[in-house]
Amino acid sequence: NAGVTQTPKFQVLKTGQSMTLQCAQDMNHEYMSWYRQDPGMGLRLIHYSVGAGITDQGEVPNGYNVSRSTTEDFPLRLLSAAPSQTSVYFCASSRDRDGGYTFGSGTRLTVV
Amino acid sequence: SQELEQSPQSLIVQEGKNLTINCTSSKTLYGLYWYKQKYGEGLIFLMMLQKGGEEKSHEKITAKLDEKKQQSSLHITASQPSHAGIYLCGADIPEKTSYDKVIFGPGTSLSVIP
Repeated sequence: NAGVTQTPKFQVLKTGQSMTLQCAQDMNHEYMSWYRQDPGMGLRLIHYSVGAGITDQGEVPNGYNVSRSTTEDFPLRLLSAAPSQTSVYFCASSRDRDGGYTFGSGTRLTVV
Repeated sequence: SQELEQSPQSLIVQEGKNLTINCTSSKTLYGLYWYKQKYGEGLIFLMMLQKGGEEKSHEKITAKLDEKKQQSSLHITASQPSHAGIYLCGADIPEKTSYDKVIFGPGTSLSVIP
C-alpha cells in the first residue's frame, strides 16, 4: 500500500499564482484532513472531510479551497498565493474518528 | 492551536535517561493522540487514549490520560537516540457542530545525546 501520497514535495510560487496540492490515499479511509505546519505554531487544521462530497473548515481556512469528489482524493487549492502561505502542508487520512491518522510526507511550499 | 498546550517546548536528555512530556487542555477531550515526527518528515501515529485513567505502552513509551480527560503524559524510559524528534499531541475536542476534526498541540522537540 502506498498510504497517503502528496504531490509535489516542493513548490515555489510567486505571489498571486494559484495551484493545487494533491493528496491521494489508497486505504479507503473516509476521513481526510489538510494541515499546515509552521515553526512555533504546530499543526493547524485547514480543511477536513468526513466522506466524499462532504467538507468543512478547520482553524485556518482562508485562502484555501477543497473538494472531495472521490473517497481517494482530497486536493487543496490555493486561490491566490501569498507569502503568509509559505509553510509545510500535510495531508492525513483515517478510517474513522477512533483511529490514528496516517500522514503524507508533506509538501514544502514557498511563496515569494 | 491554543486549545492544546505541551510542555516542555524542548528537551535535551542524555541517552539512558527517562523523560516525560505533557499535553494539557482546558476542555474535556474525546480522544487524545500522540504522534512522533522526525525532522523534515511526516507524522507517525504512536497511540490513542480515550478513557479517563487509560494507560497504553509501546516498547519504551507509555502514555496516560488523566481521569478528567484534560491532561495526558508521554513517558519514555531509558531514552535512545532513535527517540529523538518532535512529539505532538492531538485531540478530538467535541464541538456543537462537528466531532470529526483533530487539532494538535505545538509539539515538544526531543534531543537525545549519546
